[in-house]
Order: sequence, then C-alpha cells, then structure tokens
Amino acid sequence: QSVLTQPPSVSAAPGQKVTISCSGSSSNIGNNYVSWYQHLPGTAPKLLIYDNNARPSGIPDRFSGSKSGTSATLGITGLQTGDEADYYCATWDSSLSAVVFGGGTKLTVL
Amino acid sequence: EVQLVESGGGSVQPGGSLRLSCAASGFTFSNTWMHWVRQAPGKGLVWVARIKGDGSSTNYVDSVKGRFTISRDNAKNTVYLQMNSLRAEDTAVYYCGRDLHIAAASPWGQGTLVTVSS
Repeated sequence: QSVLTQPPSVSAAPGQKVTISCSGSSSNIGNNYVSWYQHLPGTAPKLLIYDNNARPSGIPDRFSGSKSGTSATLGITGLQTGDEADYYCATWDSSLSAVVFGGGTKLTVL
Repeated sequence: EVQLVESGGGSVQPGGSLRLSCAASGFTFSNTWMHWVRQAPGKGLVWVARIKGDGSSTNYVDSVKGRFTISRDNAKNTVYLQMNSLRAEDTAVYYCGRDLHIAAASPWGQGTLVTVSS
C-alpha cells in the first residue's frame, strides 16, 4: 500500500491529452515538492517533472505538472505511442523522513 | 555527461548479504545526495535510501532499516548499498540516482538485479 495514491491505469488515443492524479496528505504532498517519473521496467527511470511543475532540460512541454493542496497532477498532451509507460509521482514525507512514491499508473495510448 | 553504473547484483540465499555499487561520473559527486530505489518483479518503484554528499546524513525506507546500509566513497565517486539479512521480498532491480532536489533525481543508472531465493 503506497502512501501516495495513483490510478492503476489511464488510456487515451494518440494526439489526445491525459492527466494522472496523485493524492497524498499534509505530511507529504501538502508541504513538499512533487516529482514525476516515466519508467519502462528494466530501463532507467526518467525524471519528467520536479518541484511540482519544473521540467528538466530535454523534457518536452507536452509534459506538465501541477499541485493543489494534498494532490498533484501530471498532464501529457499530444499523446504518442512512445509515451506508453508507467508513471510515478514522488515526494518527501516529513513524518516518515523518507522519499515516497505513488503506486504507479500505466498509460496506454490506444 | 553524467553517468551512473550499478554493479554487484546477483543471486543469494535468504539471510545472505550483497553489496551493490554505483560508480558516478560527470558531476561533482561529493556535493550531491545520492539515492537507491528498487522495483520488484511486477511491482512499482520503491525508494530505498539516500545519503548526503559528505556522508553525514542518511535516510531509509522502513522495510530495510537495520538491514541495509548506504555509504559512499567520495575519493572513488562511488555509492554503496550493503544489504544484509536478505529476504525473498528484497528481490528486485536496484537503481541508483543523482539527487537534484529532495525527491527529484536524474539521471538513474540502468539497474542491477538482486535475486533472493533458496
């Protein structure tokens, strides 16, 4: 059971937009920055968003992040088949003194 | 170019030990927190541990406290994960990552597989 709650799966057609939610509490998302990762099992995780809404160099602006209260959202526009992957939110949990990840959301581009 | 290369994975019996290494290059290693995360077969990513640049501070997920130890050798630009009292549930691919800001790390290495089985 993850501290951060994500939907197990989302899907959308190529070219469309999708959002992935991440719900937490005041000890984690509510008072700390949120990051988002893209991951294909067996490969290196890829940082997409940090500090709630900042993109590392090389990440296209099709990817966006937002945070409100104890929830965060990853948005992906102009979906491509290459976006099919697992997506994870992460943040610091002040009560646990640990980094916590969401359970992951599998994106299918139909 | 920033690079992270993990090594040291393998098969071990329950109760055994392994030490993972992560060799870093392309950035000022001694100034940078480093993380380990893992992914068990069919499961999601789970953060395992982190260590401050000078080695003075560490944090762990509850499930490995008292069994795993993260350390570093800044002269060798290498971070380690000493894993003792291994359990079947520790079976996973382990990745090391360079911290950018708290829960944000990039890049990550390609991972090393640890299998705990009798």
